[in-house]
Amino acid sequence: QKEVEQNSGPLSVPEGAIASLNCTYSDRVSQSFFWYRQYSGKSPELIMSIYSNGDKEDGRFTAQLNKASQYVSLLIRDSQPSDSATYLCAVRLTQAGTALIFGKGTTLSVSS
Amino acid sequence: DAEITQSPRHKITETGRQVTLACHQTWNHNNMFWYRQDLGHGLRLIHYSYGVHDTNKGEVSDGYSVSRSNTEDLPLTLESAASSQTSVYFCASSGGLAGGRETQYFGPGTRLLVL
Repeated sequence: QKEVEQNSGPLSVPEGAIASLNCTYSDRVSQSFFWYRQYSGKSPELIMSIYSNGDKEDGRFTAQLNKASQYVSLLIRDSQPSDSATYLCAVRLTQAGTALIFGKGTTLSVSS
Repeated sequence: DAEITQSPRHKITETGRQVTLACHQTWNHNNMFWYRQDLGHGLRLIHYSYGVHDTNKGEVSDGYSVSRSNTEDLPLTLESAASSQTSVYFCASSGGLAGGRETQYFGPGTRLLVL
């Protein structure tokens, strides 16, 4: 069973703090990793993708990947109330063309 | 602008009826997917297609079918709707890139209630 695990939360942080979201996956052949943000009642939207071990930064977002530990994380710096949403971790198992396997999502709440 | 649309956005039906949910994308993507999203289960893959006349079963395909007669559309049919199929359904599409790095784009979703 190929699985993607996330802590469902809710994760509560004050405005301006760093939010840390974590994800583990079970299949070692996983190649591509994605973080989607989903606001309540809306569809998922991609915010970060990462394919190689290490860190990838995009504005206030940093994705971290450790394939040996089968672990991927998302850091949100200077968290804003508008970051309050559910964050979905997704994994693509092979190099091309396969569907994504999603975790159940972590709900983030940023208080002002 | 290219986009992916779903219709209807909301649907109420009765147990046993056949229901078809439409998905249309204008990106000319080869890959199209159907997911359902339920509390406590996250997004689960129902069916997917890598091109015209290609269809594949996903994790929760029982009671659902799809057909791909052109690049733009992948309709999802519930053969005989059941209350367990009450859910939010998302269609998604992606173009093929080397290394599997293509972005998957989601439609706005269809909320289906089976009474």
